[in-house]
Amino acid sequence: DQQVKQNSPSLSVQEGRISILNCDYTNSMFDYFLWYKKYPAEGPTFLISISSIKDKNEDGRFTVFLNKSAKHLSLHIVPSQPGDSAVYFCAASVGGSARQLTFGSGTQLTVLP
Amino acid sequence: DVKVTQSSRYLVKRTGEKVFLECVQDMDHENMFWYRQDPGLGLRLIYFSYDVKMKEKGDIPEGYSVSREKKERFSLILESASTNQTSMYLCASSLEGTQYFGPGTRLTVL
Repeated sequence: DQQVKQNSPSLSVQEGRISILNCDYTNSMFDYFLWYKKYPAEGPTFLISISSIKDKNEDGRFTVFLNKSAKHLSLHIVPSQPGDSAVYFCAASVGGSARQLTFGSGTQLTVLP
Repeated sequence: DVKVTQSSRYLVKRTGEKVFLECVQDMDHENMFWYRQDPGLGLRLIYFSYDVKMKEKGDIPEGYSVSREKKERFSLILESASTNQTSMYLCASSLEGTQYFGPGTRLTVL
């Protein structure tokens, strides 16, 4: 039973437009959420995180939104750039830290020039 | 700068062989993790360790074991490799908060 779900395996967006990647979770105990980006043949790199006490966190072009009642989070990338093309994983943990993360299956983002 | 290294980028082994995957971090992190990544399944946790000589099973520990004799090193062992263990193996470390990943080892078991 997947506790963290990314229902879109792929997403294509035009350069300069907004990319919205979605993630749903089922475990109401999750209280810390992260997004990672992964290029082929490399390990995932941390992008941005959010604690359950917040509903939004912003870092440059990246913003994560958390809707606790819907058990849903999203990553917005504005504006999208070709270098953003990668697989994006959302992850969640219990206890306010990243001690043990549960990952989604990933979404392949392709930004078209 | 954060650094997690893995002993091999690519590895090819035969069914039944014993396989060692090594991971080293230079950040003095207490927590270390081993994941495997398969298409459509994301990253699945195999084992993790909160301290030297301590280990905890993750979601898919069957067929694997681990060793943590020193704080900076966490080894994943496949006692008898099987074809269904062909995968990308990723090591990570953390103090608290963010996990930092190594580049991964692509293991093929023939």
